[in-house]
Amino acid sequence: AQSVTQLGSHVSVSEGALVLLRCNYSSSVPPYLFWYVQYPNQGLQLLLKYTSAATLVKGINGFEAEFKKSETSFHLTKPSAHMSDAAEYFCAVNTGNQFYFGTGTSLTVIP
Amino acid sequence: ETGVTQTPRHLVMGMTNKKSLKCEQHLGHNAMYWYKQSAKKPLELMFVYNFKEQTENNSVPSRFSPECPNSSHLFLHLHTLQPEDSALYLCASTTDRARNTEAFFGQGTRLTVV
Repeated sequence: AQSVTQLGSHVSVSEGALVLLRCNYSSSVPPYLFWYVQYPNQGLQLLLKYTSAATLVKGINGFEAEFKKSETSFHLTKPSAHMSDAAEYFCAVNTGNQFYFGTGTSLTVIP
Repeated sequence: ETGVTQTPRHLVMGMTNKKSLKCEQHLGHNAMYWYKQSAKKPLELMFVYNFKEQTENNSVPSRFSPECPNSSHLFLHLHTLQPEDSALYLCASTTDRARNTEAFFGQGTRLTVV
């Protein structure tokens, strides 16, 4: 079985500060992992994906994530938060039959 | 614009009404999905269609009835819904069922059942 767990349903950072959103996965096979962002009353937009080509994955809007097999983690980071980064972020794993999403982390950026 | 369009964006319906949600993708994808997103709950997969054939029905009540007439269109027919069915309904598509493919989502339909 495959699943993802997001630690922290709410994260607040100051504008310009480091953003760190945590995701741990459980998988019996090499996982394919994704980060999505959702703005209010919108659908989910792909930020980045890990498909085993490189452990450090760069995405849109300055986000990146590092796949760490030893820690079963795929944390999302951004060096400097912008006000426009305020949104809900979802980690997901694709089993081929379906995507399993985490419960989401709401990011607040404080001016 | 993700290439997946959902209509309507907002829908208010009574418990005795019948309505339909529409999803259209312009990406040439072969798999389409319905998800339900309720407040404070993880996204729930409802149905999966692959090459117009339903491959997943995640124990969804029969008051939700999907239809996939072709690979570009997906409908969700609604009848005799309950207030707890109020949620954001998201449609998504993928090129195929490979594990390394990402899903493209529509903007969702915000459904309120009164």
